[in-house]
Amino acid sequence: KNEVEQSPQNLTAQEGEFITINCSYSVGISALHWLQQHPGGGIVSLFMLSSGKKKHGRLIATINIQEKHSSLHITASHPRDSAVYICAVTKSYGNNRLAFGKGNQVVVIP
Amino acid sequence: DVKVTQSSRYLVKRTGEKVFLECVQDMDHENMFWYRQDPGLGLRLIYFSYDVKMKEKGDIPEGYSVSREKKERFSLILESASTNQTSMYLCASTPYLKPGQGWSNTGELFFGEGSRLTVL
Repeated sequence: KNEVEQSPQNLTAQEGEFITINCSYSVGISALHWLQQHPGGGIVSLFMLSSGKKKHGRLIATINIQEKHSSLHITASHPRDSAVYICAVTKSYGNNRLAFGKGNQVVVIP
Repeated sequence: DVKVTQSSRYLVKRTGEKVFLECVQDMDHENMFWYRQDPGLGLRLIYFSYDVKMKEKGDIPEGYSVSREKKERFSLILESASTNQTSMYLCASTPYLKPGQGWSNTGELFFGEGSRLTVL
């Protein structure tokens, strides 16, 4: 079983819709990261979380440490939000190794 | 504002050639990683370094070696390239985070632009 699981694997939304993607993990962590990768592009860090909630523009990330679960919300979605969103965790043991989910493919249709 | 730089965006090599991929970060990070990314398989860790001259094997180290002689530079070496090593290679770096220390904005995860290697 993967240490980091993401759902849904694929999501299609109409422009303007509210989008939620989810990440669950099974290991002890020092931090959780949400990353974005556009088609053919590099990977960009959106958030690093350890507790609570963070907001940047139309993006909101939340984490529940007790439930080992994080969500990424996109409000008023736009076609430029179409990308793969990857959840990663910095493990709290083993010299800070990272574990990655397989990613959520998000497509926003105009 | 470039933070993690990979030496080559695109490389084409022949089977059996030795390949060097270099990664340089300017943030004084302790941790550096080499991953390969393949469709449907996500990011797979090849090697990880948590300090100068310190390295750990990742999930798929076979056919690869690494070198970290200076803190800012982490090199991936393919001793004898094979066609199944055709892939996108990504370098990443983070500062060292102790348990309970990740409660700040400083521990971000930075990736290079990637090096797409084709082995013929």
